[in-house]
Amino acid sequence: GAGVSQSPSNKVTEKGKDVELRCDPISGHTALYWYRQRLGQGLEFLIYFQGNSAPDKSGLPSDRFSAERTGESVSTLTIQRTQQEDSAVYLCASSLQAGGPIDTQYFGPGTRLTVL
Amino acid sequence: EDQVTQSPEALRLQEGESSSLNCSYTVSGLRGLFWYRQDPGKGPEFLFTLYSAGEEKEKERLKATLTKKESFLHITAPKPEDSATYLCAVNAGNNRKLIWGLGTSLAVNP
Repeated sequence: GAGVSQSPSNKVTEKGKDVELRCDPISGHTALYWYRQRLGQGLEFLIYFQGNSAPDKSGLPSDRFSAERTGESVSTLTIQRTQQEDSAVYLCASSLQAGGPIDTQYFGPGTRLTVL
Repeated sequence: EDQVTQSPEALRLQEGESSSLNCSYTVSGLRGLFWYRQDPGKGPEFLFTLYSAGEEKEKERLKATLTKKESFLHITAPKPEDSATYLCAVNAGNNRKLIWGLGTSLAVNP
């Protein structure tokens, strides 16, 4: 079946502009995660959704970052007033369920964001 | 503070030369340790999940093991197509997020 998809694959924007990144999880996966991968750094957790609610937003770096999920499917990560330090690959992952033992997260290809 | 450390940072092997990658962790209440492979420009690809000390899992030329302090990813007779960055991540405590190491960049020369 189809894996996690993300769009766009690449985004170049100017400092101060807003951007929206989209994630389509694997069908039937109730949990969805956003991570950020900066060059030379490990993956950094941003937010996790169970269904349409976000029990853990602890990784969002500032109030310029927000995310939503609708229909227990698609999620959008929005970055307002982008800064150069926001340049990174933004990765989305989904897993089958969030209850019980921690289950495997499957990743999309990522969106490479460059802020000029 | 929960931490994951991978070593070495980079490893270059000749085809057929077996070796091991290390992932050491300091977390409270480990719930699972994950190994992923990441190719350039792609998202991490799941390899293994280990839940408790003593557990081992195998897939083709790869074998993952877990102790109370670390995990090893053993690569037996590697091929050039095994070249990638191997990432280790742990889940601990009462949340769902993964804490990641920086990865080991593996290059296998033909």
